[in-house]
Amino acid sequence: DQQVKQNSPSLSVQEGRISILNCDYTNSMFDYFLWYKKYPAEGPTFLISISSIKDKNEDGRFTVFLNKSAKHLSLHIVPSQPGDSAVYFCAASAGAAGNKLTFGGGTRVLVKP
Amino acid sequence: NAGVTQTPKFQVLKTGQSMTLQCAQDMNHNSMYWYRQDPGMGLRLIYYSASEGTTDKGEVPNGYNVSRLNKREFSLRLESAAPSQTSVYFCASSEAGWVFYGYTFGSGTRLTVV
Repeated sequence: DQQVKQNSPSLSVQEGRISILNCDYTNSMFDYFLWYKKYPAEGPTFLISISSIKDKNEDGRFTVFLNKSAKHLSLHIVPSQPGDSAVYFCAASAGAAGNKLTFGGGTRVLVKP
Repeated sequence: NAGVTQTPKFQVLKTGQSMTLQCAQDMNHNSMYWYRQDPGMGLRLIYYSASEGTTDKGEVPNGYNVSRLNKREFSLRLESAAPSQTSVYFCASSEAGWVFYGYTFGSGTRLTVV
């Protein structure tokens, strides 16, 4: 029973256009959400996070939107660059103190020049 | 500034063999984690250690044991490897306030059990 789901296993986008990655969750106790980026043969690296008290967080080209009522979040990358080609994982946590991250299955993004 | 270091990077085991995956962090983090990554399954938590001297089971602990040797080191042991344990294993560490800047992951150990 996956509590965090990324229903699109892959996404292809043209350089300069917007990439939109989606993530759904089922556990209403989740209150922090994070996005990670992973290149082949490397560990995941942190991209951006959002608390459940917010509905949007922005960091440069990356924006995460949270819709609590729908239990849905999305990551927008604008503009997409070839270096953004990677696997992106959505993750969630129930509580900031000493709790664990639950990850989605990942979405592979390919940015075409 | 090494961050999280995992050894070995690659390993092939025969069914029934045992081995220990090593992890060390130099960031003075309190919490450490072991995840496995399988295609389509994302990363699943095997065990974690919230602080030195404590360990707890995660989502998929069966077939594994862990040791938090000291604040820096957290090892994962497979006592009798099975083909189902073929995976990429990631160690991670975190400190207070981690929800704002995430865990720090190692580069992984690719394990194949034949």
